[in-house]
Amino acid sequence: ETGVTQSPTHLIKTRGQQVTLRCSSQSGHNTVSWYQQALGQGPQFIFQYYREEENGRGNFPPRFSGLQFPNYSSELNVNALELDDSALYLCASSFGARVNEQFFGPGTRLTVL
Amino acid sequence: DQQVKQNSPSLSVQEGRISILNCDYTNSMFDYFLWYKKYPAEGPTFLISISSIKDKNEDGRFTVFLNKSAKHLSLHIVPSQPGDSAVYFCAASAQYGGATNKLIFGTGTLLAVQP
Repeated sequence: ETGVTQSPTHLIKTRGQQVTLRCSSQSGHNTVSWYQQALGQGPQFIFQYYREEENGRGNFPPRFSGLQFPNYSSELNVNALELDDSALYLCASSFGARVNEQFFGPGTRLTVL
Repeated sequence: DQQVKQNSPSLSVQEGRISILNCDYTNSMFDYFLWYKKYPAEGPTFLISISSIKDKNEDGRFTVFLNKSAKHLSLHIVPSQPGDSAVYFCAASAQYGGATNKLIFGTGTLLAVQP
């Protein structure tokens, strides 16, 4: 059974650029949630995708957007990067939107200069 | 507004002793609580959970206690082992409050188990 994988591992961008982060969900899972973890903080919910539809969103601006594909993998896109977007971005997969035990990937460390 | 709080940023315990990690929450709609463990350069790993209809859940060396009236939960690790050294996150969700299973995390407690 393949776990949750994320790519790339690390990324450096400059302010104003755009970035795409990728997540492959665990086998058999149809729901992907994205979280942002700033330094010294706990993960904060960005949004969730269930069966290719956005299914809930946290307190993040519209320049944070996402997609889920038919194979349930997912992308997180961030436009017009700001310095405060520097963080660890985690994706978590689960089976069903209401299942509480989400399995996390290792994360993508994004640095915005 | 921090709905889930872990007021101890760090905790140091001797190997073999009990580790007690604490978590407080403010939202009475939360009905499911989880603990995750995180090592550096890895994603959080699910450890143990508890529903609001219970006050205790045990899994091997790990026990979670829930006090709904105080809006407080704790994780007990007995006996503590050096491999338990990690950051522990408390998380909560309102499972029946909506279709989204959104987890609200605390800021974490760094546990160091000394050999």
